Amino acid sequence: AQTVTQSQPEMSVQEAETVTLSCTYDTSESDYYLFWYKQPPSRQMILVIRQEAYKQQNATENRFSVNFQKAAKSFSLKISDSQLGDAAMYFCAYRGYGGSQGNLIFGKGTKLSVKP
Amino acid sequence: NAGVTQTPKFRILKIGQSMTLQCAQDMNHNYMYWYRQDPGMGLKLIYYSVGAGITDKGEVPNGYNVSRSTTEDFPLRLELAAPSQTSVYFCASIYEGTNTIYFGEGSWLTVV
Repeated sequence: AQTVTQSQPEMSVQEAETVTLSCTYDTSESDYYLFWYKQPPSRQMILVIRQEAYKQQNATENRFSVNFQKAAKSFSLKISDSQLGDAAMYFCAYRGYGGSQGNLIFGKGTKLSVKP
Repeated sequence: NAGVTQTPKFRILKIGQSMTLQCAQDMNHNYMYWYRQDPGMGLKLIYYSVGAGITDKGEVPNGYNVSRSTTEDFPLRLELAAPSQTSVYFCASIYEGTNTIYFGEGSWLTVV
């Protein structure tokens, strides 16, 4: 079974600085999808960034970028120029491909604090 | 997240009672999921469905049941509620074309 591990329960960053959130996963599949989701106190789930495993290029969305290392099964999220509004829980997620598309697994999350 | 509707938003149950959490989407998505999120924790998969008439267990299915008689609806049934089922429940569906996940707003359930 696939697993997603976020080894940092909490992280803190100074406003305008850069922070990296870690995520590792375990799978025997070669094709899959990876996601980072942001969850503010309202509990709404907000997509931050998405990566297809067959694409070697790292995904980027404005201040958010990922470092996808397929061989190492690592999918870290870098937040540049951190803003107060970035404070939230961040979840890494894995989704299988083809016959395993039913698998949509989340990590335990990292709570990010942003200091002014 | 207007596409996935969960009801009720809040509910207090007594131990041993039963209830159904409703989830509906109007986007014709085949894949639908139910998760629970305990305080300070991630989302744990309870059940999922790959289409009408097809459901499968996730990581934490005990104490729950689901059905999928239509593409639109994916209700989650709690039988004999227990305090351990106090949690926030999320329903989600996926648009295959862009692999976009749509979440409901969550249902806060307290069992006392």
